Amino acid sequence: GDSVTQMEGPVTLSEEACLTINCTYTATGYPSLFWYVQYPGEGLQLLLKATKADDKGSNKGFEATYRKETTSFHLEKGSVQVSDSAVYFCALSDQGYQKVTFGIGTKLQVIP
Amino acid sequence: SAVISQKPSRDICQRGTSLTIQCQVDSQVTMMFWYRQQPGQSLTLIATANQGSEATYESGFVIDKFPISRPNLTFSTLTVSNMSPEDSSIYLCSVALSRSPGEQYFGPGTRLTVT
Repeated sequence: GDSVTQMEGPVTLSEEACLTINCTYTATGYPSLFWYVQYPGEGLQLLLKATKADDKGSNKGFEATYRKETTSFHLEKGSVQVSDSAVYFCALSDQGYQKVTFGIGTKLQVIP
Repeated sequence: SAVISQKPSRDICQRGTSLTIQCQVDSQVTMMFWYRQQPGQSLTLIATANQGSEATYESGFVIDKFPISRPNLTFSTLTVSNMSPEDSSIYLCSVALSRSPGEQYFGPGTRLTVT
């Protein structure tokens, strides 16, 4: 079945540091890939997505590129802020289906 | 997009009792989902609730334990029945907009503690 593997946290960074959260996936077809973010006390919200190979999703300074050859979708940001402290979930959805498979989530803490 | 609210936001319940969680959406949606997020773990899909049909449960979840209602296109409830401490978790509802497969909007969650 489909699965998502992401690095376990917590990840602690100083403000303005570079961020990479690794994510790899296993799927039978050609899935769409997502990063969701959960800020403290809030529900999950979609951060970015990519629907086909080599697509790059971006939002709020975060980027991730759909790499079919390495089945990866790593999340990156060049300079993190304290307000980026949250839990980040990598996820996939098989094409045409609404069911989403989530990774375990990576907690990011950014310190001033 | 969609705005989703859940009630209650948190509750502490005794073993053997039941709790019903409500999920309200600000627009009409066909597909709603219920998830469980246990401490330190990812989201696990409990069931998919489409208006006008029976909920579809994932492996490991049964209707007797987690009955779901979906009376209209903006509302759903999930009941956690005969609770045990293992049911302590965050329960989340979400909705899907049919034009974007896999893209879901989540409520803030209900934090349940069973003592």
